[in-house]
Amino acid sequence: DIQMTQSPISLSASLGDTVTITCRASQKISNYVNWFQQKPGKAPKLLIYTASSLPSGVPSRFSGSGIGTDFTLTISSLQPEDFATYYCQQTYNTPITFGQGTRLDIK
Amino acid sequence: QLVESGGELVHPGGSLTLSCAASGFPFSNYWMHWVRQRPGEALEWVSRIHSDGRTISHADSVKGRFSISRDNAKNTVSLQMNGLRVEDTALYFCVRGATEGSPPFDLWGQGTLVTVSS
Repeated sequence: DIQMTQSPISLSASLGDTVTITCRASQKISNYVNWFQQKPGKAPKLLIYTASSLPSGVPSRFSGSGIGTDFTLTISSLQPEDFATYYCQQTYNTPITFGQGTRLDIK
Repeated sequence: QLVESGGELVHPGGSLTLSCAASGFPFSNYWMHWVRQRPGEALEWVSRIHSDGRTISHADSVKGRFSISRDNAKNTVSLQMNGLRVEDTALYFCVRGATEGSPPFDLWGQGTLVTVSS
């Protein structure tokens, strides 16, 4: 199975900050990485697909990059609604696997 | 949208069938998935089924116990869960997967809660 290791596990930041979350795959997975945001009691929301593509409706302050084994999610100019938990996911092969999550809270 | 149902309290060793009703999109064009989340834990992919219903995959943790199926005429996808264990306790999400030209995992249901306990 492909392991997806996120870092950091938790992160504190202030409004207006730029933060970066990283995800490392245990083997090369091309660009088959998606990123999700989840708020308490809610279903996850797709933020980035195929490593760097932004779905319709997702603000442009979210961006993704990477290929192979190392991937990043960057959130620029943090807004109050961005404080949540973020997950990476690989869909290169089955079993599809998620990272363990990164909790982003307000400093 | 996706609306799950069927979650409830069940004893260890018991069975349960979860259903997901899809609407508002061409259901028969999409892969469909089940993803679960144990309380306070990360997301875990469970199963997927191709648009034609013939290609199926399951996570090792449920292989041989869970079975995914779909009815494209009724726009539903189901998860038959047998031999339930305490560790299957989780919120189960139905998720729309990929199709040509469309982002994967872009539509999630609200989840249905399965509790396995004696």
